[in-house]
Amino acid sequence: NAGVTQTPKFQVLKTGQSMTLQCAQDMNHEYMSWYRQDPGMGLRLIHYSVGAGITDQGEVPNGYNVSRSTTEDFPLRLLSAAPSQTSVYFCATFTRQGGTSPLHFGNGTRLTVT
Amino acid sequence: ELKVEQNPLFLSMQEGKNYTIYCNYSTTSDRLYWYRQDPGKSLESLFVLLSNGAVKQEGRLMASLDTKARLSTLHITAAVHDLSATYFCAVPKGFGNEKLTFGTGTRLTIIP
Repeated sequence: NAGVTQTPKFQVLKTGQSMTLQCAQDMNHEYMSWYRQDPGMGLRLIHYSVGAGITDQGEVPNGYNVSRSTTEDFPLRLLSAAPSQTSVYFCATFTRQGGTSPLHFGNGTRLTVT
Repeated sequence: ELKVEQNPLFLSMQEGKNYTIYCNYSTTSDRLYWYRQDPGKSLESLFVLLSNGAVKQEGRLMASLDTKARLSTLHITAAVHDLSATYFCAVPKGFGNEKLTFGTGTRLTIIP
C-alpha cells in the first residue's frame, strides 16, 4: 500500500518555465490537497478537491492550476514559474469515512526556480 | 481570518527535562491536530484532538485541547534525543478538514 505518492522529488526550473507536480493516492480518499511549505511560515493551502471533478482555491492559489479527473490523481500545474514559487510542495489526502481522520501527506517535492 | 500561533518557535532542551509547546488559535474550533516533521521528511500525524478537554498520550508526548481558551498544549516528558523534530499544530477552517491552517512550527532540539 503506497499511500500518497508524489513525483518528482526534486525539480529545478528556470523562470517562466511550466511544469506539473504529480500526486497519486491508492487509499480511495475523497479529499486531496496541495500545500506549500516555506521556512518560518508553516504550511499554506494552495488548492484542494473534495472529489473527482471538484476543485477549489486555498490560501495561496495564484500561479497554480489543478484538476481532478479521477479519485486517485491530483496534479498541480505551475503555469509560468517564478522564484517566489521556490518551496517544498506537499500533497495530502483524507477521508470522512469512519469519522474525522488526519491528513495523510506525501513525501514532498522540493522545487527551486532560478 | 483564522490565525494559529505556536510558541516557542525554537526550543533546545536537555535530555531528561520536561517542556511544553503551546498552540493558540484565533477562531472557534472543536478540533486540532498535531504533526511531527523530521528534517527533509514528510509530516506524520501525532494526535487528533476532537473535543474540549481532549487529552491524548503517546509515549513521552501528551497533547491536550481547551476549546474555550482556544489553546492546545504538547507536553514532553523526560525528553530523549529521538524526539528532536519540528512539531506543527493545525486547526480546520469550518466544519470539514478541507482547509487546515497550520502553525509556524516549533523546532525542538534535544541535547544529550
